[in-house]
Amino acid sequence: AQSVTQLGSHVSVSEGALVLLRCNYSSSVPPYLFWYVQYPNQGLQLLLKYTSAATLVKGINGFEAEFKKSETSFHLTKPSAHMSDAAEYFCAVSHTGTASKLAFGTGTRLQVTL
Amino acid sequence: GAGVSQTPSNKVTEKGKYVELRCDPISGHTALYWYRQSLGQGPEFLIYFQGTGAADDSGLPNDRFFAVRPEGSVSTLKIQRTERGDSAVYLCASGDGSAKNIQYFGAGTRLSVL
Repeated sequence: AQSVTQLGSHVSVSEGALVLLRCNYSSSVPPYLFWYVQYPNQGLQLLLKYTSAATLVKGINGFEAEFKKSETSFHLTKPSAHMSDAAEYFCAVSHTGTASKLAFGTGTRLQVTL
Repeated sequence: GAGVSQTPSNKVTEKGKYVELRCDPISGHTALYWYRQSLGQGPEFLIYFQGTGAADDSGLPNDRFFAVRPEGSVSTLKIQRTERGDSAVYLCASGDGSAKNIQYFGAGTRLSVL
């Protein structure tokens, strides 16, 4: 079975500081990996997706993530945090090559302070 | 509509009652997914439809949970004899059914079982 682990349920950064949210995956086959963001009382919005092409994936709102097979990681980064980035972030994994269920991590709540 | 629509947005019921939760996917999307998100957790997969048929129902927790999609568009998640442990946000997502596996989420239905 595929799974992801998100290290750190809460992360706090200052506005303008680097954002780093950690995700490690477990999969016996090459995976698809996703990062979603959830604002309060809203659905999940896709930030970016790894589909076995480029290992560095750029997403919306200045976020990017790098797929590192040797470390089984897919960490999410943003060079400079904005107040509007405060939200819950979820890493997810799925099988490749077909529409299928997503297996989500437990989420990381990002707080951005002045 | 432009996005995935879920109704109602909130549902309060009493233990033992029957509830139905509705999902209107993005027009033309053949894939439809149901997830359940408990407080402080990531979404957990329940069931996936491709067209009218359930392609994967491995996440349904027990036989009190059932979902249908009779015409390949709108889906209804049905919960019989509700229990307090069923309280959660139920999320619906839809996708084009392709190997890209991009899923677009609705805002969810918050179910509270008293």
